[in-house]
Amino acid sequence: DGGITQSPKYLFRKEGQNVTLSCEQNLNHDAMYWYRQDPGQGLRLIYYSQIVNDFQKGDIAEGYSVSREKKESFPLTVTSAQKNPTAFYLCASSMTRYYEQYFGPGTRLTVT
Amino acid sequence: KNQVEQSPQSLIILEGKNCTLQCNYTVSPFSNLRWYKQDTGRGPVSLTIMTFSENTKSNGRYTATLDADTKQSSLHITASQLSDSASYICVVARRDDKIIFGKGTRLHILP
Repeated sequence: DGGITQSPKYLFRKEGQNVTLSCEQNLNHDAMYWYRQDPGQGLRLIYYSQIVNDFQKGDIAEGYSVSREKKESFPLTVTSAQKNPTAFYLCASSMTRYYEQYFGPGTRLTVT
Repeated sequence: KNQVEQSPQSLIILEGKNCTLQCNYTVSPFSNLRWYKQDTGRGPVSLTIMTFSENTKSNGRYTATLDADTKQSSLHITASQLSDSASYICVVARRDDKIIFGKGTRLHILP
């Protein structure tokens, strides 16, 4: 899992509540990403950030929000607007978008 | 359409045997191809990354090949071990930074 940490490993929330997933890296990487993984599907990009105070929507950004106030941190908020939030969430980082990505251990979110 | 197709979807082999996983892609313009290993409930870990000019790259018992002309890659695992049980994900990056993930091959090694 390299120098990327995600917390918590498991998260349970009631429907209608916002929840924030943590992602921290000490690799001095500029780029950071959030992916969602569902059974039988490839990873899907939610948001990415190439530099502090800048981020871009990925393929499935609706119902999610992010911030990038520090180089080391890229938290993801799953809002109540996300229709199907139960999933395995993976954070990754890379030197720049051209380089290979290093993934965190993931957070499994269950919303009931 | 930019796609990454992996086969087989799942594979079961006996410990000590070799196996080969396939990845076909239609991604363009091509930048690089990556293979990741993902243990259940964990994040993916990089095995190899290959650019257009590289045909073969090894990482211990893992050997990846790339044929950029036919847009095919394979991951060969030699002398499999129980710890090789995992999902193996093929990832293709485009020159405009877009990254396309395959759905993975689930490998089960039986003792």
